[in-house]
Amino acid sequence: DAGVTQSPTHLIKTRGQHVTLRCSPISGHKSVSWYQQVLGQGPQFIFQYYEKEERGRGNFPDRFSARQFPNYSSELNVNALLLGDSALYLCASSLIQRGSQGDTQYFGPGTRLTVL
Amino acid sequence: RKEVEQDPGPFNVPEGATVAFNCTYSNSASQSFFWYRQDCRKEPKLLMSVYSSGNEDGRFTAQLNRASQYISLLIRDSKLSDSATYLCVVNMGTGGFKTIFGAGTRLFVKA
Repeated sequence: DAGVTQSPTHLIKTRGQHVTLRCSPISGHKSVSWYQQVLGQGPQFIFQYYEKEERGRGNFPDRFSARQFPNYSSELNVNALLLGDSALYLCASSLIQRGSQGDTQYFGPGTRLTVL
Repeated sequence: RKEVEQDPGPFNVPEGATVAFNCTYSNSASQSFFWYRQDCRKEPKLLMSVYSSGNEDGRFTAQLNRASQYISLLIRDSKLSDSATYLCVVNMGTGGFKTIFGAGTRLFVKA
């Protein structure tokens, strides 16, 4: 079975540009979460989507937005890129069922974004 | 105070050693807890879930103390392949509506 997939794997942008990152969850998973990980830190929660609705948002500016499609894939959009947006962007999918096993998140390989 | 705090690293241990990682969380409403492992420039991978009753998976033992808001991970008989960053993860809300990662503890296992 395919795991979580993300595209592109690497991306270079300049300040002020916008970027769209894509994620496909594990088949059968209805929840997708997005994280930003800068070097030397743990992943920081950006968004969680479930059944195409936003269910959670971290402390990120409005330049960050996301959506989930009917097939449960997701896009993360970042506008007006800043140098500080350079990071590994991770997508995770989960089943969402009762009990902690349903909370388990499985990560994709990430998109490494460099802003020059 | 950070919502999830881990032991500062790195830990440098010889093969065969036992090593323990600690993690504390600040929100008593936290609902589920995990340890993830992350290799350099790779995505985090689930190591194990953490339950109040404690759980063991081979050389790895995880423990949760809700009263003290404390999570631990014990690795016995360390292998070179255990070298990685270990991330403590706390979910607040069903389905991970807010998931908080610790900063991670780097482990180096030496021959």
